[in-house]
Amino acid sequence: DVKVTQSSRYLVKRTGEKVFLECVQDMDHENMFWYRQDPGLGLRLIYFSYDVKMKEKGDIPEGYSVSREKKERFSLILESASTNQTSMYLCASSSNRRVNEQFFGPGTRLTVL
Amino acid sequence: AQSVTQLGSHVSVSEGALVLLRCNYSSSVPPYLFWYVQYPNQGLQLLLKYTTGATLVKGINGFEAEFKKSETSFHLTKPSAHMSDAAEYFCAVSRGGANSKLTFGKGITLSVRP
Repeated sequence: DVKVTQSSRYLVKRTGEKVFLECVQDMDHENMFWYRQDPGLGLRLIYFSYDVKMKEKGDIPEGYSVSREKKERFSLILESASTNQTSMYLCASSSNRRVNEQFFGPGTRLTVL
Repeated sequence: AQSVTQLGSHVSVSEGALVLLRCNYSSSVPPYLFWYVQYPNQGLQLLLKYTTGATLVKGINGFEAEFKKSETSFHLTKPSAHMSDAAEYFCAVSRGGANSKLTFGKGITLSVRP
């Protein structure tokens, strides 16, 4: 079974802190994605990566950056957390053969105070 | 550009009743269509997909969906709801192919009454 793990289920940070959200997949998938999920807004794509060291902006990249130094790991970085970044963050991965069949992690609920 | 519309935010059915969750899409190219389900406190998982070929597709847990190009719809159905079907359901569209992205609808919460 594909497994996508996220470093924390719940995280509380203060405004202005630098926040790292980590995601690891164990199926050698080429593609990895970061979404945020908010009530009434569904899932919105923040950043994605089709290969190691490659990244592309999604629909709402402002205030975020990413890092993909290894194939299995994709990190989301909030350089200076703000209260409007309080949200559920979901990581996903997929293979090149079935790029839209994404496997999701359990999510990290981030609260910024 | 592509988009997905899921009207309403919540559907409630009785156990054993028909489940119908609506999805309409907009796409300038032939779409790939997906339904994902999110059970409480979990990530999303793929329920079913349409890429090409047969327009009626079957998924896990007895769900199915029909691609209707003339109506730009991809509604999700299940003949008889079970308590375990209570979850949030997301419809998504993609243009398919390498480097394509999923565009998700806003999701709809299904409640099942005993």
